[in-house]
Amino acid sequence: AQKITQTQPGMFVQEKEAVTLDCTYDTSDQSYGLFWYKQPSSGEMIFLIYQGSYDEQNATEGRYSLNFQKARKSANLVISASQLGDSAMYFCAMRERSSGTYKYIFGTGTRLKVLA
Amino acid sequence: EPEVTQTPSHQVTQMGQEVILRCVPISNHLYFYWYRQILGQKVEFLVSFYNNEISEKSEIFDDQFSVERPDGSNFTLKIRSTKLEDSAMYFCASSLLAGGRETQYFGPGTRLLVL
Repeated sequence: AQKITQTQPGMFVQEKEAVTLDCTYDTSDQSYGLFWYKQPSSGEMIFLIYQGSYDEQNATEGRYSLNFQKARKSANLVISASQLGDSAMYFCAMRERSSGTYKYIFGTGTRLKVLA
Repeated sequence: EPEVTQTPSHQVTQMGQEVILRCVPISNHLYFYWYRQILGQKVEFLVSFYNNEISEKSEIFDDQFSVERPDGSNFTLKIRSTKLEDSAMYFCASSLLAGGRETQYFGPGTRLLVL
């Protein structure tokens, strides 16, 4: 079973609109962390946002917010007021403790295209 | 703005050879990571490093791999006896904290091609 599932291989959004990128996860740990990264076509990886499993409030970083629904095991990324520069691949990832060590597991990514 | 740097940007090697990928993390950061991304595919965590020792590693990080902080600034990933399937983009990252509100800063990557 996939630990991190990103069901949207590709998404389009109109400039200035908000967009939600889906991410569901699977873990039996009580303490875990959830991350979102952006990878533009140039290839670099850019950390966007982090949510801890015990955080009561949804994480926000500028135009990025993480819609954390613990009972549903979802950690969707919301980008408000999309910009052309937001066009990129977006990866959801989880840090969990397994067999005594922490592991970081990435999803397969969602390619976002912002339309002018 | 401080940034993570990686050298070389590209490396081509013959199967069976050893390669060393170098990273200079952000100077006051305490936690260091290596990830790899096989072309166009998802990112895989390799290892994290803190206080001069490995703190976490994945199943991928077997005896073929090793990491080192040889001085106060460099963080290296050594791959012994490279295989064709080691061809990938290797990213180094560093963070000031781990867990909590950690923010990882990534380097630009080293593209490794094993022939």
